[in-house]
Amino acid sequence: EADIYQTPRYLVIGTGKKITLECSQTMGHDKMYWYQQDPGMELHLIHYSYGVNSTEKGDLSSESTVSRIRTEHFPLTLESARPSHTSQYLCASSDRSTTEEQYFGPGTRLTVT
Amino acid sequence: GEDVEQSLFLSVREGDSSVINCTYTDSSSTYLYWYKQEPGAGLQLLTYIFSNMDMKQDQRLTVLLNKKDKHLSLRIADTQTGDSAIYFCAESETGGRRALTFGSGTRLQVQP
Repeated sequence: EADIYQTPRYLVIGTGKKITLECSQTMGHDKMYWYQQDPGMELHLIHYSYGVNSTEKGDLSSESTVSRIRTEHFPLTLESARPSHTSQYLCASSDRSTTEEQYFGPGTRLTVT
Repeated sequence: GEDVEQSLFLSVREGDSSVINCTYTDSSSTYLYWYKQEPGAGLQLLTYIFSNMDMKQDQRLTVLLNKKDKHLSLRIADTQTGDSAIYFCAESETGGRRALTFGSGTRLQVQP
């Protein structure tokens, strides 16, 4: 079983607030990812990281930012939440194995009112 | 860019076999994956197949890959109510970031 955690699991917050979604993994994986899952189920990559101090934007434009100061942590921050940010956010990590399968956290369901 | 397509919904009776289909466009994908998502949860890796394989079997799961047609399928034998979930196929990029491109997911409903 994968050891990757996300907090909070559910968050309801008002417009304009700053929020940070936490993601941590205890597997020592170098690569970490953030996906945004639409209500219609599709997942889209919004951020990824190869390792400490490495962050890149994904395919879907996002107003969020990420940081990777430690291998285990990959937090996502929204400086000013808006209703359009309402979505499910999934964090994942992978190692350097040949198959590079990704392990997912349970997700954070964010609702901005 | 890559594109992965799946049918949105499948309903089967308990005990029957389920077949979930997926088509992809990136012929250079090295690995193709099947993930399961239960309500309110993250994605759980079910199985994967290497692109030079035609078939992989793992207990009740059988993955078939037709590389020529870029078609991937997941067969679940003796489907149970606990198999009700959304199933995603995904292909891995061949570039450095190795992110996954997901299909839209197939919602499997198992009727008792």
